[in-house]
This record gives sequence, structure tokens and C-alpha cells, in this order.
Amino acid sequence: GAVVSQHPSRVICKSGTSVKIECRSLDFQATTMFWYRQFPKQSLMLMATSNEGSKATYEQGVEKDKFLINHASLTLSTLTVTSAHPEDSSFYICSATSDSYNEQFFGPGTRLTVL
Amino acid sequence: AQTVTQSQPEMSVQEAETVTLSCTYDTSENNYYLFWYKQPPSRQMILVIRQEAYKQQNATENRFSVNFQKAAKSFSLKISDSQLGDTAMYFCAFMEVGDMRFGAGTRLTVKP
Repeated sequence: GAVVSQHPSRVICKSGTSVKIECRSLDFQATTMFWYRQFPKQSLMLMATSNEGSKATYEQGVEKDKFLINHASLTLSTLTVTSAHPEDSSFYICSATSDSYNEQFFGPGTRLTVL
Repeated sequence: AQTVTQSQPEMSVQEAETVTLSCTYDTSENNYYLFWYKQPPSRQMILVIRQEAYKQQNATENRFSVNFQKAAKSFSLKISDSQLGDTAMYFCAFMEVGDMRFGAGTRLTVKP
């Protein structure tokens, strides 16, 4: 299957700072990327869908000004958590796909801890 | 909106035995895809098996097979000859037009 990477794998930051998480498709061009959040012992919850070159579509209840998503190229999407607070601490997972596939390929996830 | 229900929060099975994980979903669409993902402690999502709704034949991948009942909107996963490495969270997922939704998950423990 296709490979998706995420960086960093874990990050600790202070409350009020911003954190950027990168998601890359390594061996295919991802026309669409997805960002999920997973709290401990819970399922993956879709935060937003991003298509290359256009604005992301956010799920209901997800603050677009807090979770900035950029999908500037066919291999890279970034999620920036702005003014992070302890309640933003979670596991963030990205996935990617293209019109050639009928499935999503998942990155290894990023564990964010906000102190 | 599509919903996916996994009614078994936790299950356990003896090594070498067979276990079945349940999943039901709700949709008004006719064309869609169903998946089972395994999430081990590393939290990497690993695709176990997938099923296209337009295919009547149940998908099989080695020890993993599904029982897809389209009319009943049911998609159960059977794991045969369970191994210790099968211990993980298992998520059922529904996808239509690229948008994937997950069930709450079932924590499976394989006992030696």
C-alpha cells in the first residue's frame, strides 16, 4: 500500500503556543488528505478534509481558526494548532488518498501534549 | 449522515480459537466501502480487510474474513486461529465518496 508519514511523532508545548504537524504522502500524489483526532480509548474523529489547492472543509464543532490546515502541494498537508491549550492534547492522525484509490492511507500519528 | 456501530467494547479469545467482531452501519447509499482496521499499541492504523458494497462475495485475507450482509447493513469480522499478535483495538469503518467514518472500536485480547 501507499506510504504516509507524519512529523513530528510526538511534541510537547506550552499553553498558548502554536504547533505545526506535517503529513506527507511519500510515494503517491494525494489529492485529498484528512485530519483526525483520537482521544485516549476513543475512536478516530474526523476534523477536516483538505483538497490540494483549496480551503479545507471542517467538521461541525471544529474551530477552523484554531486548527489551520494547509494543503499546498500534492504530497504535503499541515495542521497548525494555534494557541494550544491542555484540552488540545490528543493523538492526531492524518490520512491521504487520490482518485486512483478507494481507501485512505494513514500516517503513524502525532501525540500532542500541551502543558 | 452515516453511522457505524460496534456494540462490543471488549472481547477476549483464547489463542488458536476463532472470534467474531460485530459491526453495523446505517446509510442510504448503495455504493460504498467497508473496512476493518487494527490499531495496536503503536497506534498505527493497519488495514485488515476491505469490502466493496457492490460485491456479493465476502472478502477474505488469510485468517481474516468478513460476513457482509448488505440488506441487514452488517459487516462482521471473523479472526480464525487467533494469535497473540492479534491483540489490538479493531475499528470498523464506512467510506462513501472518500469520507470515512469509524465505529467506537472493539478491544480484542488474545489470551495464551
